[in-house]
Amino acid sequence: QVQLVQSGAEVKKPGSSVKVSCKASGGTLSTYSFTWVRQVPGQGLEWMGRIIPITNTTNYAPQFQGRTTFTADKSTGTVYMELNSLRAEDTAMYYCARDKDWFDPWGQGTLVTVSS
Amino acid sequence: DIQMTQSPSTLSASVGDRVTITCRASQTFSRWLAWYQQKPGQAPKLLIYKSSVLESGVPSRFSGSASGTEFTFTISSLQPDDFATYYCQQWGTFGQGTKVEIK
Repeated sequence: QVQLVQSGAEVKKPGSSVKVSCKASGGTLSTYSFTWVRQVPGQGLEWMGRIIPITNTTNYAPQFQGRTTFTADKSTGTVYMELNSLRAEDTAMYYCARDKDWFDPWGQGTLVTVSS
Repeated sequence: DIQMTQSPSTLSASVGDRVTITCRASQTFSRWLAWYQQKPGQAPKLLIYKSSVLESGVPSRFSGSASGTEFTFTISSLQPDDFATYYCQQWGTFGQGTKVEIK
C-alpha cells in the first residue's frame, strides 16, 4: 500500500518561490500519475494539475499555468511542486495524491504561509 | 471547462438520518465521479470512485449513483463519525463541498 509523505511547512516572503516534495513510500512512482490540490484555509479543494512521471507529462489548471512547475525524480520516488511569484493569496495547504482519475492516497499536506 | 455544482453547501442532520448530496456536471465528460470526506485538519479521504464503487474499508452505509450528468452520494444512517465536509470530483474539478453538521 503506497503512502505519500510530504515535506514540512514553509514560510515564504511575497515574490519568492516554494518547492514542496511528495515522496512515495517504497521509493517507486510506478506508472501512476500524481495530482496536486490546493486548499486555502476555510475554503474548498482546488485542483492544480498533474504529472505523469514515467513520461514527464504535465497538465496545469489554467489559473496555475505559468507560475507552477511539477517535476519528478524517479530515482528517489519523489514528485515536486514549485510555485513562483508567491503572494499572500497563495497561503494554503498543498496536497499531493496518486491520480487514477480519482485521488488516493493523499499526502498529509504541506502548509505554505506567504507573509512579509 | 467542466463545472461541478454540488448541493447543498450545508446540511444539518441527526444521527440515524438518511443524507443525500448531489453533484451536477455542466456537461457530459466522464461517467466517473469520486466522493471524498474531509475532517478538520486532515487530508481528504476517498470514499467512492467510478461513481458507485466503495473504496476498500469504507462502511457500506455510504453509497453513490449516477444518472446522466447528475451524481448522488448517500449516507443511509448518519453516524457520529460522519460529521465532516464531503466533496465530489470529476477529472480536474471539485464540487464546492457539503458540510454535514449536527442538527
